[in-house]
Amino acid sequence: GAVVSQHPSRVICKSGTSVKIECRSLDFQATTMFWYRQFPKQSLMLMATSNEGSKATYEQGVEKDKFLINHASLTLSTLTVTSAHPEDSSFYICSARDSRVLSNEQFFGPGTRLTVL
Amino acid sequence: GDSVTQMEGPVTLSEEAFLTINCTYTATGYPSLFWYVQYPGEGLQLLLKATKADDKGSNKGFEATYRKETTSFHLEKGSVQVSDSAVYFCALSDRGQAGTALIFGKGTTLSVSS
Repeated sequence: GAVVSQHPSRVICKSGTSVKIECRSLDFQATTMFWYRQFPKQSLMLMATSNEGSKATYEQGVEKDKFLINHASLTLSTLTVTSAHPEDSSFYICSARDSRVLSNEQFFGPGTRLTVL
Repeated sequence: GDSVTQMEGPVTLSEEAFLTINCTYTATGYPSLFWYVQYPGEGLQLLLKATKADDKGSNKGFEATYRKETTSFHLEKGSVQVSDSAVYFCALSDRGQAGTALIFGKGTTLSVSS
């Protein structure tokens, strides 16, 4: 099956620093990738939709200048949390859509646990 | 807009008990339906899917049937194991809107004890 990787799996940083999270589709091309945020014991909150070669579409309430998304190739999307603060601590999950599959199925990465001190 | 409603958890069962997690949806188009599972500290894994009415998705002993008349996609398993303890998410995707994100239910936590 299709595999999506995320790196790093865990990151701890100081307040004010920036953190980059990578999402890769390993065995398929993903024209569309999605970034989600998940708070403890809650469902996934869609942050943005990332299309290869174009600007990301952000959901209402998500600061595009704080959460920078780049989808430079068909297999890689990055999320950069700029000037991170403790309230940005969360579990970030990406998913990628395999354009060959008509059901619009998405494959999820293992997630990145961000802790901002 | 489209939405997914799941039964609230947590669901606590003994090993070998029968499991049902209810999921209903509202959609204007012809959605595909999914169940994802999330184990502690991990991302989501696709458990099963169904793309049209009356389709039955199945995997690892879990089953769900796409019921258009009741707009439901209930997850069932005949005999749960401790290793099934996880959070289960029902989701839909509008097949007519390629590239759109999945719409998730709030998730149901299953805890199975031996």
